[in-house]
Amino acid sequence: DAGVTQSPTHLIKTRGQQVTLRCSPISGHKSVSWYQQVLGQGPQFIFQYYEKEERGRGNFPDRFSARQFPNYSSELNVNALLLGDSALYLCASSLWGHGNTGELFFGEGSRLTVL
Amino acid sequence: AQSVAQPEDQVNVAEGNPLTVKCTYSVSGNPYLFWYVQYPNRGLQFLLKYITGDNLVKGSYGFEAEFNKSQTSFHLKKPSALVSDSALYFCAVRLAGGGTALIFGKGTTLSVSS
Repeated sequence: DAGVTQSPTHLIKTRGQQVTLRCSPISGHKSVSWYQQVLGQGPQFIFQYYEKEERGRGNFPDRFSARQFPNYSSELNVNALLLGDSALYLCASSLWGHGNTGELFFGEGSRLTVL
Repeated sequence: AQSVAQPEDQVNVAEGNPLTVKCTYSVSGNPYLFWYVQYPNRGLQFLLKYITGDNLVKGSYGFEAEFNKSQTSFHLKKPSALVSDSALYFCAVRLAGGGTALIFGKGTTLSVSS
């Protein structure tokens, strides 16, 4: 079975631009979460979606938004990019809905560089 | 507030020796604890988790971790390190009933020398 897939793998943007990152969860997983990993730090929680509804939001500005589609894939959008948004953006899927004891399965990430 | 601390930025060990990567946590309720490993330019891979029950948890690739409630610790261990274990290790906590959001530590780089 395919794991969590993310696209694009790498991208370069300039300050003020907008970016959309995409994620396809493992088949059968209905929950998708997004994390930001800045170099030298652990991942930080941005959003969680389950059954197309936002179920959790981390401490990120409103420039960050996301959505989940009927096929459970997800997009993360970041507007008005800042240099500090440069990071590895990780998507994770899980079987949440059977309790939250399960592990997250991560994709390999989208590395965003803002110049 | 929930938090996870990994007090060591780097752990160095010789191949064949036992290894320990330390993790302590701070939560206001019952914690679910996880260890993940990250290889260069890759996503995170799940190693093991503690939910409830036996304090010694066994996971992938020969790793294990011991949950110690009184010391609020969840140290990762392996009896005999391999060079291929060299990677970045993250401890994470989730509050029971708190959705799927994980709080990660800053990570510990494990370097195993031959």
